[in-house]
Amino acid sequence: DTAVSQTPKYLVTQMGNDKSIKCEQNLGHDTMYWYKQDSKKFLKIMFSYNNKELIINETVPNRFSPKSPDKAHLNLHINSLELGDSAVYFCASSQDASRGETQYFGPGTRLLVL
Amino acid sequence: QKEVEQDPGPLSVPEGAIVSLNCTYSNSAFQYFMWYRQYSRKGPELLMYTYSSGNKEDGRFTAQVDKSSKYISLFIRDSQPSDSATYLCAMTVDDKIIFGKGTRLHILP
Repeated sequence: DTAVSQTPKYLVTQMGNDKSIKCEQNLGHDTMYWYKQDSKKFLKIMFSYNNKELIINETVPNRFSPKSPDKAHLNLHINSLELGDSAVYFCASSQDASRGETQYFGPGTRLLVL
Repeated sequence: QKEVEQDPGPLSVPEGAIVSLNCTYSNSAFQYFMWYRQYSRKGPELLMYTYSSGNKEDGRFTAQVDKSSKYISLFIRDSQPSDSATYLCAMTVDDKIIFGKGTRLHILP
């Protein structure tokens, strides 16, 4: 059974489009995260939700908007895509962010903006 | 065998001690080796990275990679209570990044 899943795995789109990436976890965790992997493969946190409440909101363009319909899902919507948005985006979840619990990562979504 | 193994701890050490955190890995194709630190209710922040065997120092932190033994370490000298956090090792190969499960570290004042 997949613990943290992301769809789609690959996303190729034109500049200016609006797209969403979905994330679901079946671990019963309270906290979910979105990370962007930069060109050197380092992960940088973008957002975190705990029980549908936004708890981390790093400096990212407001074209990026997370949406958590329930605690098992955290979707990432990106408006007006730009070339620099091309990257791999990782979703993760953990039991409780307040205790620094282990994070479980999804397989990543590779976004290519043309 | 998992690709990256890391003891989850918790590891409790007295203030001022040298801390040693370790990960082992099985894939000899890993390219970058990284250490992340995560405080409560925060995402992991990148502490150090290296791509070759040997030591890399940054202040009180030293990252060590031994590719022949497939073993990486993070040493923290003169540990402080503010170093209490979860430390995750991570490695990359091609476009994959694999994280260890993280070690919870408590520095006792």
